[in-house]
Amino acid sequence: GESVGLHLPTLSVQEGDNSIINCAYSNSASDYFIWYKQESGKGPQFIIDIRSNMDKRQGQRVTVLLNKTVKHLSLQIAATQPGDSAVYFCAENISRNNRLAFGKGNQVVVIP
Amino acid sequence: GAVVSQHPSWVICKSGTSVKIECRSLDFQATTMFWYRQFPKQSLMLMATSNEGSKATYEQGVEKDKFLINHASLTLSTLTVTSAHPEDSSFYICSARVLGVNRSYNSPLHFGNGTRLTVT
Repeated sequence: GESVGLHLPTLSVQEGDNSIINCAYSNSASDYFIWYKQESGKGPQFIIDIRSNMDKRQGQRVTVLLNKTVKHLSLQIAATQPGDSAVYFCAENISRNNRLAFGKGNQVVVIP
Repeated sequence: GAVVSQHPSWVICKSGTSVKIECRSLDFQATTMFWYRQFPKQSLMLMATSNEGSKATYEQGVEKDKFLINHASLTLSTLTVTSAHPEDSSFYICSARVLGVNRSYNSPLHFGNGTRLTVT
């Protein structure tokens, strides 16, 4: 199930199930989006990216979907593994200033 | 792949002292590096953009005299927290981008592993 923690929403998922993490972005001028995974005490790690001229992109076990109409981004993780437990952030690149702005983050907890 | 190295990984200092954090791009040149700060269970907040050979650009609300940034070469940027206070305790993370085709900015930022600063 999904619950809201002190600051981070948390998604608990059974090992082997699929995970879906959602993100709403704010700026219609954003033209590039990235999903990052952050493990405790480490810097963010690149997972997958998508440009605004696409609505879907697939990687290894991960798929990113982009809906520009409602400014929504999602990350799907297939066959979730214990190593997927982390905080996941979406980030948007606003083309006019080329800075990367991060969303609030979602904690994923994989239950063995 | 692109590697960004950050040093130190953690530091404890006394209130009033200054701390320098280094960020290096190991296998690529970075004319621009970005410094973020992250509090527990929160997202990354951009502090400033470090530009090689010129002044850094600070985000609104970030004191440039407190967080000194020097980008002296294409592979090194430093962040110095001056006269640190307990409220400066945080996780500081640097990042850099390998420019894409045609020097496009549509390429991911690569992050260092962060520096945990604790001010006592």
